[in-house]
Amino acid sequence: DIQVTQSPSSLSASVGDRVTITCRASQSIADSLNWYQQKPGKAPKLLVYAVSNLQGGVPSRFTGSGSGTDFTLTISSLQPEDFATYYCQQSYTSPDYTFGQGTKVEIK
Amino acid sequence: EVQLVESGGGLVQPGGSLRLSCAASGFTVSRNYMTWVRQAPGKGLEWVSLIYAGGSPYYAASVRGRFTISRDESKNTVFLQMNSLRAEDTAVYYCARSRGDSAWYGFDYWGQGALVTVSS
Repeated sequence: DIQVTQSPSSLSASVGDRVTITCRASQSIADSLNWYQQKPGKAPKLLVYAVSNLQGGVPSRFTGSGSGTDFTLTISSLQPEDFATYYCQQSYTSPDYTFGQGTKVEIK
Repeated sequence: EVQLVESGGGLVQPGGSLRLSCAASGFTVSRNYMTWVRQAPGKGLEWVSLIYAGGSPYYAASVRGRFTISRDESKNTVFLQMNSLRAEDTAVYYCARSRGDSAWYGFDYWGQGALVTVSS
């Protein structure tokens, strides 16, 4: 089974900060890495698919990058609406689409 | 407009059964992968089950043999039959559809979630 490990599990940041979240897979997963944003009491929302492609309507301050086993989600200038929990998900091993443990982005 | 609406959640005793429904509109469920993902209180996301466009079902090890995923194309609805429920199955259950005709590109539409509580 492929494991995906996210770090950090939480972080505190201020509006305008640059934020980076990392996801590491236990083996190469090509470009099958997706990122989701979840706000309290709401369903997850797809932000980035296949490593670096923004889902429609997602602001350009979100950037995905990486390859193989190491991936990052970067928010270039954190906005108030970006405080949420972020999850990575690998879709390489169909159908066991493992999620990372989540990274909670909190207001500093 | 694509929409997914779950129903059927509730309180059930350990060992009991419950059936969740996910009614879809704006697309045809048989043309996408449809999945169920759950989230225990205060915890992260856990993939539970998936049905391929071709109809083949798959399950996480934690629910295999107890849960059954199915779909009714006439109703454009996906179901999750949950039997032999345990306290650790307590969670919000989300249905979601694949972005395209495979899940390589993630799941782009999600329902609002259905709360399942297993307790005596």
